[in-house]
Amino acid sequence: EAEVAQSPRYKITEKSQAVAFWCDPISGHATLYWYRQILGQGPELLVQFQDESVVDDSQLPKDRFSAERLKGVDSTLKIQPAELGDSAMYLCASSLERYSYNEQFFGPGTRLTVL
Amino acid sequence: AQSVTQLGSHVSVSEGALVLLRCNYSSSVPPYLFWYVQYPNQGLQLLLKYTTGATLVKGINGFEAEFKKSETSFHLTKPSAHMSDAAEYFCAVTAGGDSSYKLIFGSGTRLLVRP
Repeated sequence: EAEVAQSPRYKITEKSQAVAFWCDPISGHATLYWYRQILGQGPELLVQFQDESVVDDSQLPKDRFSAERLKGVDSTLKIQPAELGDSAMYLCASSLERYSYNEQFFGPGTRLTVL
Repeated sequence: AQSVTQLGSHVSVSEGALVLLRCNYSSSVPPYLFWYVQYPNQGLQLLLKYTTGATLVKGINGFEAEFKKSETSFHLTKPSAHMSDAAEYFCAVTAGGDSSYKLIFGSGTRLLVRP
């Protein structure tokens, strides 16, 4: 069964360092999402791609976060510099198209701890 | 703007007992509603969704939910809890009406199942 792949699964870093997360969506899925889930809360959308284009990045802290999906397939989310408050689970999801009735399939996530 | 409220951050039931997880939503447009389950250190898995049509929706693992427009609710139920149901459950609504169709999640309810 096709799955969304993410790496690394766990990342520990010190504040002010740079970190990067990678996501490979299900083959053929045009829409890719990055969510941040703070412990005890629900996921919050950071950025949404349709193919290689950003559709929504209204909640992405652009002073330190960046995301790209250059060829419209896999994606990288970067934080530079990391802050203590960035400690969270970062989830990637993909869907066939961007319409609301299409199920979003989630990867296992990357748990980031900033010391 | 859309929002989701999940009543009860923790719900504890005995094995074999009825499971009821509450979700209320706010939406200025007809909503699409979802329930996701998350096991420890894993991504989210779709349990069920309401888009249009029948208001009683059946999902995987014996769960079902009923869309009640008059009450703005979408509560999740299961007649008989199993130990394997212990997990965190998230209700979500789409931000319909804009271009991104992003999911707005509630804060989650952790289900504990007692032997």
